Amino acid sequence: GAGVSQSPSNKVTEKGKDVELRCDPISGHTALYWYRQSLGQGLEFLIYFQGNSAPDKSGLPSDRFSAERTGGSVSTLTIQRTQQEDSAVYLCASSLGRAGGWYEQYFGPGTRLTVT
Amino acid sequence: GENVEQHPSTLSVQEGDSAVIKCTYSDSASNYFPWYKQELGKGPQLIIDIRSNVGEKKDQRIAVTLNKTAKHFSLHITETQPEDSAVYFCAAKLTGGGNKLTFGTGTQLKVEL
Repeated sequence: GAGVSQSPSNKVTEKGKDVELRCDPISGHTALYWYRQSLGQGLEFLIYFQGNSAPDKSGLPSDRFSAERTGGSVSTLTIQRTQQEDSAVYLCASSLGRAGGWYEQYFGPGTRLTVT
Repeated sequence: GENVEQHPSTLSVQEGDSAVIKCTYSDSASNYFPWYKQELGKGPQLIIDIRSNVGEKKDQRIAVTLNKTAKHFSLHITETQPEDSAVYFCAAKLTGGGNKLTFGTGTQLKVEL
């Protein structure tokens, strides 16, 4: 079946502009995660949605970052007033399961964001 | 919070040789340790995982070992092939910490002919 999809695959924006990144999880997956991957770095956790529970926003680096998940499916990560240090690959993942359990996270191909 | 360190950052081996990647974690409450393989232009893909109640797990040419006392775990790839060339990430999950993962910084593995 279809995997996790993300759009756009590449985004170039000017410093100070807002951007929206989209994630379509695997159908039926109740959990959705956003990570950021900077050049030469590991994946940095940003935010986690599980069912109807309040999202875990503990990884968001500043209040310029926000995310929402509509209808328990599609998610949008918004970065306001982008800065050059926001340049990275933004990865989305989804999984089955409830909080406290463990289920494999399936990753999308990512969105490469470049802030000029 | 959890901190995961990964070594080496780059690893070059000859085809057919073994490759070993090591990770350490800081929080003894971590209970789950997956390994991901990321090929160029793609998202990471789970290749093997281990839970804290197990010391070793093997899947064909890939094995993972866990030492809870020392808080380190390792990935072993035997009989390496060119298609094993990729970036490998280790990760750790805290008990009761939801499902979020803390990742290492990655190892670029190159298998040379």
